[in-house]
Amino acid sequence: NAGVTQTPKFRILKIGQSMTLQCTQDMNHNYMYWYRQDPGMGLKLIYYSVGAGITDKGEVPNGYNVSRSTTEDFPLRLELAAPSQTSVYFCASSYGGTGFSPLHFGNGTRLTVT
Amino acid sequence: RKEVEQDPGPFNVPEGATVAFNCTYSNSASQSFFWYRQDCRKEPKLLMSVYSSGNEDGRFTAQLNRASQYISLLIRDSKLSDSATYLCAVIYGQNFVFGPGTRLSVLP
Repeated sequence: NAGVTQTPKFRILKIGQSMTLQCTQDMNHNYMYWYRQDPGMGLKLIYYSVGAGITDKGEVPNGYNVSRSTTEDFPLRLELAAPSQTSVYFCASSYGGTGFSPLHFGNGTRLTVT
Repeated sequence: RKEVEQDPGPFNVPEGATVAFNCTYSNSASQSFFWYRQDCRKEPKLLMSVYSSGNEDGRFTAQLNRASQYISLLIRDSKLSDSATYLCAVIYGQNFVFGPGTRLSVLP
């Protein structure tokens, strides 16, 4: 199994540009999450989804949008990129439910906005 | 007070040493707890879940203290390959909240 796959691995954007970070999982997990991690810092939740058609804001949602049209895919959209969005972005998924299974992470997307 | 707190370290220990990290959480309603390992410039990877009765996986032991609201990770007989950042994760509702991580360097 591929697990959680993120593309692209690296990207450089100019201020004001937009892009979509792709995330797909093949584990039939209900729950999916987007985190960002700034250098030397912890993971901050951007958005999450508990199932197709359902999304919710996390701790730092401003400047981002998400959609969840299928169980497998959870793309993250950056509109009007700003230098403050320079970070490493991790997508993760979990089976969810009572007792909670742990999160499985993708390899990350390193984004630089200049 | 932050939801999940960890001593950032670094903890510099010699090979073969025993080292322990704690992670405190603020919400007593937290449901599940995990330890993750993150290598430099890599994604976090699950090290172990933390069960109420405590659990062990080889050289690693995890404990949960609900009364004092902390979890711990004990690493025995440290290896050079244990050098990494260790993140604790706590589930609040449907969300996984991560601590900032504790950096461990195992020295030869």
